[in-house]
Amino acid sequence: EIVLTQSPGTLSLSPGERATLSCRASESVTSNFLAWYQQKPGQAPRLLIYGASSRAIGIPDRFSGSGAGTDFTLTISRLEPEDFAVYYCQHPWTFGQGTKVEIK
Amino acid sequence: QVQLQESGPGLVKPSQTLSLTCTVSGDSISSGNSYWSWIRQPAGKGLEWIGRIYFSGSTTYNPSLRSRVTMSVDTSKNQFSLKLSSVTAADTAMFYCAREGFSGWFDPWGQGTLVTVSS
Repeated sequence: EIVLTQSPGTLSLSPGERATLSCRASESVTSNFLAWYQQKPGQAPRLLIYGASSRAIGIPDRFSGSGAGTDFTLTISRLEPEDFAVYYCQHPWTFGQGTKVEIK
Repeated sequence: QVQLQESGPGLVKPSQTLSLTCTVSGDSISSGNSYWSWIRQPAGKGLEWIGRIYFSGSTTYNPSLRSRVTMSVDTSKNQFSLKLSSVTAADTAMFYCAREGFSGWFDPWGQGTLVTVSS
């Protein structure tokens, strides 16, 4: 069973700053199956990135995904107020534990 | 626009069976272009995939829940359902249904329904 470990647990940043979130798999995974989600309080998760680096429909280009093998990254180039949320990586059928991006 | 909507009792007694239904609009389950999944999230915690079903009725379940989970599909109503038996307080969670693509990602999700297990 693949385990996804996200780091850091919490990221405290200011609007306009760059956010870099990490997702590490316990063994090499196929990039096609790596996705990222955003979840805001009281809402369902929303697909941001699929196939490790492809943005879902309607996702702003400040969100980007990269990586291969065991190490994947979600980058938010310039944080907007609406980006403060919890982010999960996922590889079927496992989720990481999440990274909370909070306002500093 | 594809939308999913969960429905079912919000309160279930311990040892009983939790039953939820997901109604899909904007896509046809019988088209066979997706799987249909259930995912849960205890309050303040992470996401746990429960299982998925295909239009044919073929299922795949999370091994940790397999002994208690049953999923079914009703293509005539464009719905799929979840049954989780022998529930305990540990099963209290927000339950989401979602469309699962063949590469395993979930999009879109329903808004979720909170199920509390309590006597």
